[in-house]
Amino acid sequence: GDSVTQTEGLVTLTEGLPVMLNCTYQTIYSNAFLFWYVHYLNESPWLLLRSSTDNKRTEHQGFHATLHKSSSSFHLQKSSAQLSDSALYYCALSGSGYNKLTFGKGTVLLVSP
Amino acid sequence: AQTIHQWPVAEIKAVGSPLSLGCTIKGKSSPNLYWYWQATGGTLQQLFYSITVGQVESVVQLNLSASRPKDDQFILSTEKLLLSHSGFYLCAWSLGGGADEQYFGPGTRLTVL
Repeated sequence: GDSVTQTEGLVTLTEGLPVMLNCTYQTIYSNAFLFWYVHYLNESPWLLLRSSTDNKRTEHQGFHATLHKSSSSFHLQKSSAQLSDSALYYCALSGSGYNKLTFGKGTVLLVSP
Repeated sequence: AQTIHQWPVAEIKAVGSPLSLGCTIKGKSSPNLYWYWQATGGTLQQLFYSITVGQVESVVQLNLSASRPKDDQFILSTEKLLLSHSGFYLCAWSLGGGADEQYFGPGTRLTVL
């Protein structure tokens, strides 16, 4: 079945440093979609980024990610972390089941001054 | 604007007791609906999805059932709770499957003792 592997646990960064959260996936479905959802404390998760076509970069709110089908990856990046980026980040895959979404285990990003 | 409401906000229940969690979406006709579960420290796991009234598909077997009695309502239930049912339950909706964004509700915290 589908699976998602992402940087696990806690990532701590100092404000201003670059952000890189890894996400790789497995699916037999050639037309899979990848997502990054962000979950702030006491809020509902919401969509941060959605993949586009192969090797095309998508951007939103300063974050960007590029779907690379050759390496089955969709890493989340940002050039300069902000305190407000502290949250739980999920990589998710819509692969072999049209209405099924498979989440990775989540990465807590903690940005400190 | 669409709103998603879940009830109750939190529940403390005894092992072996029944459970019913609800989700209502307002402002959107015929949405796809989803139930997710997150164990403490675990990932978001899709449990059920429904694309139309009266039709529910199971994704993961956790001794839970779901029903969609109305277009805007999704119910998660069981007749006998297990300790392992504890966690955070999220309802979500989308326009369709595949690449469509999912919009999450505020969630219900369930503690089984």
